[in-house]
Amino acid sequence: QKEVEQDPGPLSVPEGAIVSLNCTYSNSAFQYFMWYRQYSRKGPELLMYTYSSGNKEDGRFTAQVDKSSKYISLFIRDSQPSDSATYLCAMSARSGSGYSTLTFGKGTMLLVSP
Amino acid sequence: NAGVMQNPRHLVRRRGQEARLRCSPMKGHSHVYWYRQLPEEGLKFMVYLQKENIIDESGMPKERFSAEFPKEGPSILRIQQVVRGDSAAYFCASSPSPGRAGELFFGEGSRLTVL
Repeated sequence: QKEVEQDPGPLSVPEGAIVSLNCTYSNSAFQYFMWYRQYSRKGPELLMYTYSSGNKEDGRFTAQVDKSSKYISLFIRDSQPSDSATYLCAMSARSGSGYSTLTFGKGTMLLVSP
Repeated sequence: NAGVMQNPRHLVRRRGQEARLRCSPMKGHSHVYWYRQLPEEGLKFMVYLQKENIIDESGMPKERFSAEFPKEGPSILRIQQVVRGDSAAYFCASSPSPGRAGELFFGEGSRLTVL
């Protein structure tokens, strides 16, 4: 079992739809959870960052973490064609040395059609 | 305020040649991470460096790969005697402190193609 599982998609939705992106993980030590957006041939851009369980909202984006189920989600409301990109979940556990390295999912490709 | 700068953006090498990838972190950041993204794969951690020190190289292949972050100048990821399997996008990320996973910023990547 991979540490982080993410459906690669592609996920195709019409403009204005609510998008749900998800990741599951197996390492119970993960405490920090992030979502990155990566446009084609570009670097990952941090979208959302949450610590432990709960919800966090930022504009059209909502991140949810359920540590009991080892399941995280990113919701995008009123999706726009400019949201078309690959969305990567990432997570980390605080190491004994105090630094964090990220474990990524493979990414889900999202296509929003006008 | 420049972000993380990586060069070259694209690099083509023949099998057996050397590849050198450079990364200048964001201003004020002294922690550098290298990640590799193979086709159809997620980003994989390779190495974490602070100025003049390799802190964690647990993700680096045991042979042919090395990294440095000198006191002056950019961080360098060096791949000797490249093989086709080294073809990938190599991303550098920097942060102002080691434990702030939410403050990790990535560069645009260097795409290595091995012929």
